[in-house]
Amino acid sequence: NAGVTQTPKFHILKIGQSMTLQCTQDMNHNYMYWYRQDPGMGLKLIYYSVGAGITDKGEVPNGYNVSRSTTEDFPLRLELAAPSQTSVYFCASSYNTGTGREKLFFGSGTQLSVL
Amino acid sequence: AQTVTQSQPEMSVQEAETVTLSCTYDTSESDYYLFWYKQPPSRQMILVIRQEAYKQQNATENRFSVNFQKAAKSFSLKISDSQLGDAAMYFCAYRSLDGYNQGGKLIFGQGTELSVKP
Repeated sequence: NAGVTQTPKFHILKIGQSMTLQCTQDMNHNYMYWYRQDPGMGLKLIYYSVGAGITDKGEVPNGYNVSRSTTEDFPLRLELAAPSQTSVYFCASSYNTGTGREKLFFGSGTQLSVL
Repeated sequence: AQTVTQSQPEMSVQEAETVTLSCTYDTSESDYYLFWYKQPPSRQMILVIRQEAYKQQNATENRFSVNFQKAAKSFSLKISDSQLGDAAMYFCAYRSLDGYNQGGKLIFGQGTELSVKP
């Protein structure tokens, strides 16, 4: 049981380039999330998904896109990368039953530098 | 919108001593969940403790306990008998009870970096 797997773990991107951060979970969780963590700051929600085919914006969605074609996968796309997108990105998932009690399972993060 | 504030960017504690990390939040909801997450240098996010707002009793997990003051919207974490392995960034987080409409998302504070001195 791998849990939440993110790839790559580290990446350097040039300004203006695009890339996709991959996230997959094998726990059959319905809800998935993308957060970013800037130095000295908490995690801020970029996008989330409550099921395959359904996504919604979080606090800081600008410059990102997501898709959820399967339950397992939730890739995050960066278009025209900017230095402000230098951050650590976390993917997370949970089996949400609507009670609020559910635990979030996090991936190990992707450290992305845009230079 | 809900907000979570951790006003202590850094804290330090002597090994075997007790330390308390502060967290305040703002919400208009009456029912919700509060969490403390630990993030060691490995970057892994580890759930430390969880509190249901409708429960008056403070949650405890071994050496970790919370002081939940609902009226004051305060949710502090107490670590007793601190160990070297407790050194990490600690995040306070809020989640609405309305999981379906709110997307079950966590709202995080800025974090408190805890160091443990031997």
